[in-house]
Amino acid sequence: GAVVSQHPSRVICKSGTSVKIECRSLDFQATTMFWYRQFPKQSLMLMATSNEGSKATYEQGVEKDKFLINHASLTLSTLTVTSAHPEDSSFYICSARDLLAAFGYTFGSGTRLTVV
Amino acid sequence: AQSVSQHNHHVILSEAASLELGCNYSYGGTVNLFWYVQYPGQHLQLLLKYFSGDPLVKGIKGFEAEFIKSKFSFNLRKPSVQWSDTAEYFCAVSRDDKIIFGKGTRLHILP
Repeated sequence: GAVVSQHPSRVICKSGTSVKIECRSLDFQATTMFWYRQFPKQSLMLMATSNEGSKATYEQGVEKDKFLINHASLTLSTLTVTSAHPEDSSFYICSARDLLAAFGYTFGSGTRLTVV
Repeated sequence: AQSVSQHNHHVILSEAASLELGCNYSYGGTVNLFWYVQYPGQHLQLLLKYFSGDPLVKGIKGFEAEFIKSKFSFNLRKPSVQWSDTAEYFCAVSRDDKIIFGKGTRLHILP
């Protein structure tokens, strides 16, 4: 079945630095990818929708200058957390949509970001 | 506001008990509905989905869900749970090409 690889699975960074998270669809082409954030014991909150070759669409309240999304190819989307602060510490999950599959949404295994 | 509501935040059952987790949504029009499961330390997995047709949907691992349009509900059921069903369960709605999740229900099965 469709597989989405997310890397890294865990990252610790210093406050003020930037962190890049990659999301790759391994065996299908994903014209659309989604980025979610999950706080402890809470649900997944959609941050943005990323379309290949165009600008991402951000949900209300998500700072586009802080969470930079790039979807340069049909198999790769990246989320960069810029000038990270401790409050950005969270679990980030990507999802990719396979248009050729009957059900198209496959989730990555997530990235645990800790900002110290 | 448009939302997905899961009524139970934390459920504790004994093995072999029957399970029903509630889910209601407030979107109008055509929606696609999903239940996902997240086992401890693992990523989200799809349990089942409803797009159209038979409102009683059967998924993996003995789970099923019933779409009741008039009640805007999509409750998840399993007749006899196992210890390995301990996990967090998320109801989700797809609309406008996005998936919106409920807050999740943490299920704990006592051996």
